[in-house]
Amino acid sequence: GAVVSQHPSRVICKSGTSVKIECRSLDFQATTMFWYRQFPKQSLMLMATSNEGSKATYEQGVEKDKFLINHASLTLSTLTVTSAHPEDSSFYICSARVLDRLDGYTFGSGTRLTVV
Amino acid sequence: GENVEQHPSTLSVQEGDSAVIKCTYSDSASNYFPWYKQELGKGPQLIIDIRSNVGEKKDQRIAVTLNKTAKHFSLHITETQPEDSAVYFCAASLPSYSGGGADGLTFGKGTHLIIQP
Repeated sequence: GAVVSQHPSRVICKSGTSVKIECRSLDFQATTMFWYRQFPKQSLMLMATSNEGSKATYEQGVEKDKFLINHASLTLSTLTVTSAHPEDSSFYICSARVLDRLDGYTFGSGTRLTVV
Repeated sequence: GENVEQHPSTLSVQEGDSAVIKCTYSDSASNYFPWYKQELGKGPQLIIDIRSNVGEKKDQRIAVTLNKTAKHFSLHITETQPEDSAVYFCAASLPSYSGGGADGLTFGKGTHLIIQP
């Protein structure tokens, strides 16, 4: 149980375009979803926390107008990278806290974004 | 905020030997400490976790120990196998509270574990 499905797994886009990444909780309700970014051979860095029905909370240094987060339902959170640039190329991973498994987190499979 | 340090960055052990990875954390309020295994191009997979009310937890070949006073926790893998080769991350999080206010995980920088056949 407690599966988070993340799509797409890979995406290549041109500079200046926008890309949407989706994360769905398949068998539980995720009131909170976390979005991480991971550059090659580096750790996961928390970008933002999305809460269902309210505005996302962004970590320091993360542009909220560039990384748009929508968490309109208890099973879906989306991250849109707007006006993408090559430096946005990274591995993006979502995660949900599973409230019925105290303090447990489950992760999506990640999205490899390449901006050309 | 929380800061998690992880060592070593790379660890090479002979197949069948044990591997130990160590992490320290800075925020004494953190109460949840998971360990993740990440293979290339995939999301992290939870392998074991421990909460602050427990000092040690074991699951077959994998064990985690926690020293709250010293604010460090360690991952122990015994009888290592080639399929254990991966990057391992430790993490820490603050308590969750009902009604929202959940915090994300703070990760260590990772350890590339190499099992030599």
